[in-house]
This record gives sequence, C-alpha cells and structure tokens, in this order.
Amino acid sequence: AQSVTQPDARVTVSEGASLQLRCKYSYSATPYLFWYVQYPRQGLQLLLKYYSGDPVVQGVNSFEAEFSKSNSSFHLQKASVHWSDSAVYFCALSSSNTNKVVFGTGTRLQVLP
Amino acid sequence: NSKVIQTPRYLVKGQGQKAKMRCIPEKGHPVVFWYQQNKNNEFKFLINFQNQEVLQQIDMTEKRFSAECPSNSPCSLEIQSSEAGDSALYLCASSFGTGGGNERLFFGHGTKLSVL
Repeated sequence: AQSVTQPDARVTVSEGASLQLRCKYSYSATPYLFWYVQYPRQGLQLLLKYYSGDPVVQGVNSFEAEFSKSNSSFHLQKASVHWSDSAVYFCALSSSNTNKVVFGTGTRLQVLP
Repeated sequence: NSKVIQTPRYLVKGQGQKAKMRCIPEKGHPVVFWYQQNKNNEFKFLINFQNQEVLQQIDMTEKRFSAECPSNSPCSLEIQSSEAGDSALYLCASSFGTGGGNERLFFGHGTKLSVL
C-alpha cells in the first residue's frame, strides 16, 4: 500500500532563514511525488513534481525538492523564506498503476517577520 | 488562480439534511476527483470520474454519498443525510489524466461543509 508521512505538523522559521519540510513515503516501486501548497481559503497549488531523472527538482517560488530512493524521502527546501510562504504544504504520491493520489497530512509553515 | 470552480464556498446543514455541492472542472480536463479534507488535514479520496464514468470510488456502503458528472453540467457530490462527522472541506480536482503517474491535479477552493 502507498503512504506518505510528513512528520512535522508545524514548522516556524524567521523570514530569510532556510527551510526544509520533510516527507517520507512508502511504496514498493518508483513513485511519482508532488508537493502542493494550500494558502488560506484557497485550493491546493502545485509547487513541483518528480517522476524521473535528476533527483533534485526545481519548482515555483524558488522551492526545490530532492528525491532519495534509499531514504524513501522527498524533502522540500528553500534557501530563504518570505512571510508570504506561510501556508500548509502537502506531500503527495501517485503511481502508474493507480487512479488516485495519496496525500500526507501536511506541514503548517509559519514565517515570522 | 484555480480554474476549477466549486460552489458553494460554505455550506451549513443540520443533521439529517441533504447537502449538495458542485464542481466545474478546468476546461478540457476529462478526469474529476473528489476528496474530503478533515480538520486534521487528512485527505480521504472519495471518487473519481473520467468523462461521465466512475473510475474508482470508496465503499459508499452507507449510501449517504452519491456523485455524478453529467455531460454539459457541473459535477456534483451529495450527502443524503448529513452527520456531524461529515463536516469537512470537500475538494474537487481535475486532471488531463487519470491521476496515476505524473499527472498533476488542479484543485478548486473547496466547499466547507459544517453540519450542526
């Protein structure tokens, strides 16, 4: 069975600091991995996705994520956060033999000015 | 901005009442998903459609949930007899593909259902 774990429910960082949001997945084959962001009162928006090739993927707003098969991880990173990055971030997984996407429970990011 | 349109944004119902929400997928997307997001941010897949046909759905044996995606009309999700535990954000998403593989989902803003 597929599953996604985001071990940190809340993360607080100061503006300008670096950021890592953790994501661990469980799947027997190679997964397709996504990071979505949910701003208040808005739908989820895609930040980036990985399905093959370079394990470091670039996304919108200077976010990037690194896929690690050995660690079953897909951590999201940003070198310098802005207060507008405050939101809930979801890691998600799908595969080629399923019709649905499995989501983690999200990490709420608070960026202090 | 999301081009998946969900209505209404907020829905308040008493227990036992019928609750209906609608979704217009992004133009050209044949696949529509419904997810329930609870207050703990847990996503529960409910059902997905390709054009008007159901692809996959959870076991709705309670029969309180029903959904459809008729041609030339908005998709809809209906709860026949609302319960307090149904209070959640109901998210509609659309996609070019069936959600497997690397197809991204495009989400609406959701319908927040509160069952009093």
